Amino acid sequence: AQTVTQSQPEMSVQEAETVTLSCTYDTSESDYYLFWYKQPPSRQMILVIRQEAYKQQNATENRFSVNFQKAAKSFSLKISDSQLGDAAMYFCAYSLTQGGSEKLVFGKGTKLTVNP
Amino acid sequence: EPEVTQTPSHQVTQMGQEVILRCVPISNHLYFYWYRQILGQKVEFLVSFYNNEISEKSEIFDDQFSVERPDGSNFTLKIRSTKLEDSAMYFCASSEAGGRIGYGYTFGSGTRLTVV
Repeated sequence: AQTVTQSQPEMSVQEAETVTLSCTYDTSESDYYLFWYKQPPSRQMILVIRQEAYKQQNATENRFSVNFQKAAKSFSLKISDSQLGDAAMYFCAYSLTQGGSEKLVFGKGTKLTVNP
Repeated sequence: EPEVTQTPSHQVTQMGQEVILRCVPISNHLYFYWYRQILGQKVEFLVSFYNNEISEKSEIFDDQFSVERPDGSNFTLKIRSTKLEDSAMYFCASSEAGGRIGYGYTFGSGTRLTVV
């Protein structure tokens, strides 16, 4: 079964500094997608960044970037120039396709605190 | 930007009562999903729905749960006889296509269900 592991229940970072959130996953598939979702206190799920497994180039979205190591099944999220608004739960997710629908398997999340 | 709308935002119900959670997916999306997040835990897949039938369901989605798309716009999750352990945040999501497209989902803002 596919699993997603986030080994850091909590992380903290100083405003304007850089932080990296870890994620590993287990799959036997060769073609899949990985995501990072942000969940602020409002509990809405907001897509931060997406990575296609067949692409070697790491995805980047403004201050957010990933380090995708396919062989190691690792997918970490780097947040540069951290802002107070980045404080949230961050969930790593793996996209699994079965029967045409696309199911997301989530990790347990990392709570990020940004200190002023 | 198109949104997935969920109503109500918060519902309190007595144990044993039936509850219906409502969602309006994005109009041109074809795949619909329900996820659950018990407080402090990870987001878990419940069910996916395509072409007016269930594509996949998890072990959580037992006979107490059902989904329906009654009128071509709404997508509902019904819990027939609620239990205390059904208390959670329920997220609806929709996607433009299934398969290995990897666009991820658009999530609704969730319905917090409290069973007392």
